[in-house]
Amino acid sequence: AQTVTQSQPEMSVQEAETVTLSCTYDTSESDYYLFWYKQPPSRQMILVIRQEAYKQQNATENRFSVNFQKAAKSFSLKISDSQLGDAAMYFCAYRNGNAGNMLTFGGGTRLMVKP
Amino acid sequence: DTEVTQTPKHLVMGMTNKKSLKCEQHMGHRAMYWYKQKAKKPPELMFVYSYEKLSINESVPSRFSPECPNSSLLNLHLHALQPEDSALYLCASSQVPGTPTYEQYFGPGTRLTVT
Repeated sequence: AQTVTQSQPEMSVQEAETVTLSCTYDTSESDYYLFWYKQPPSRQMILVIRQEAYKQQNATENRFSVNFQKAAKSFSLKISDSQLGDAAMYFCAYRNGNAGNMLTFGGGTRLMVKP
Repeated sequence: DTEVTQTPKHLVMGMTNKKSLKCEQHMGHRAMYWYKQKAKKPPELMFVYSYEKLSINESVPSRFSPECPNSSLLNLHLHALQPEDSALYLCASSQVPGTPTYEQYFGPGTRLTVT
């Protein structure tokens, strides 16, 4: 079974600075997808970024980028130029390639942004 | 339109009540999901519907009864709940497995309190 671990229950960052959230996973599959979801205090879970395991290039979405280290099974999220609106719970999630549609979530990291 | 809607936003019910949660999407997705989320925890999968048929039931108690009347709607019928069932109930939808992009899109959730 796959597992996803987020070792930082809470993180804080100063507004305009950069922060990195950690995620490691364990799988024996070669075809899979990784995601970062953001859940602000208003509750709605929003997809931030996704990474296909077969792609060597790290995904980027504006101020959000990932550092995908497949051999190390690591998938960290970097938020640049942090904004107050980035404050939220961040969940790392894993899904097998084409075998199913179940997500395995990490325990989450609560990010606080200081003005 | 990447929106999943859920009603009601909040629900308070007694242990003898019968109520229903509703979820709707108009993205043409053929997979829909129910999750239960406790505070500061990741979502826990309850049910998955694929092409309007129940494909996954994560050993959920029978007091939770899902229904998928059509490809856009997903209901969760509640009966004789326990106080420990109080949680945020999230609905999500996605394309079915095998589609190139089938990340899940989440609704805002229904905050359920069982008294």
